[in-house]
Amino acid sequence: AQKITQTQPGMFVQEKEAVTLDCTYDTSDPSYGLFWYKQPSSGEMIFLIYQGSYDQQNATEGRYSLNFQKARKSANLVISASQLGDSAMYFCAMREDFYNQGGKLIFGQGTELSVKP
Amino acid sequence: DAGVTQSPTHLIKTRGQQVTLRCSPKSGHDTVSWYQQALGQGPQFIFQYYEEEERQRGNFPDRFSGHQFPNYSSELNVNALLLGDSALYLCASSLTGVSTDTQYFGPGTRLTVL
Repeated sequence: AQKITQTQPGMFVQEKEAVTLDCTYDTSDPSYGLFWYKQPSSGEMIFLIYQGSYDQQNATEGRYSLNFQKARKSANLVISASQLGDSAMYFCAMREDFYNQGGKLIFGQGTELSVKP
Repeated sequence: DAGVTQSPTHLIKTRGQQVTLRCSPKSGHDTVSWYQQALGQGPQFIFQYYEEEERQRGNFPDRFSGHQFPNYSSELNVNALLLGDSALYLCASSLTGVSTDTQYFGPGTRLTVL
């Protein structure tokens, strides 16, 4: 069954340090995409980064990188040089049949990140 | 470049009533998906619309219905509201035909059912 697991309900990090948010997934589809979204207290879900299952390189977008370990079925988000504005809920999500169009996102329970000054 | 917009921002209804939520996709997008996010949970997929038809549906009862208009905007209708329908309703838009097909979300409509 398709499933996303985020085992860290809450995380603290000191400003300017790096932090890793964990995500494991379960799917029998060889073609899938993994996404990370940030949700501030305002509620809007902000897209951060994605990784396709056939992508050879780990994805990076500015201070965000995705540590994709296919054999372990993990897709951890690494935020470098944390900023106070990074404090938010972070959701890992998966879409099966990634290289065809359409399809639902399946979300994990989220990790609440707090950045300390 | 306009992002995804949703209206209204907040809504309060009573049990048994009906509600309509609206979504305008990001400029250039043609596909709209709706999600329900209960407090403290991740979003749950309701359904997706493309070319004015429901392309995929999640595990939600028939009380939840939708529509997509020729300009790609969309509505979510919920009939016979229950207390458990109280949630943040998120709309996401994407462009079918692009390999990554990333979904971009709007600010959401917070529905409270009393």
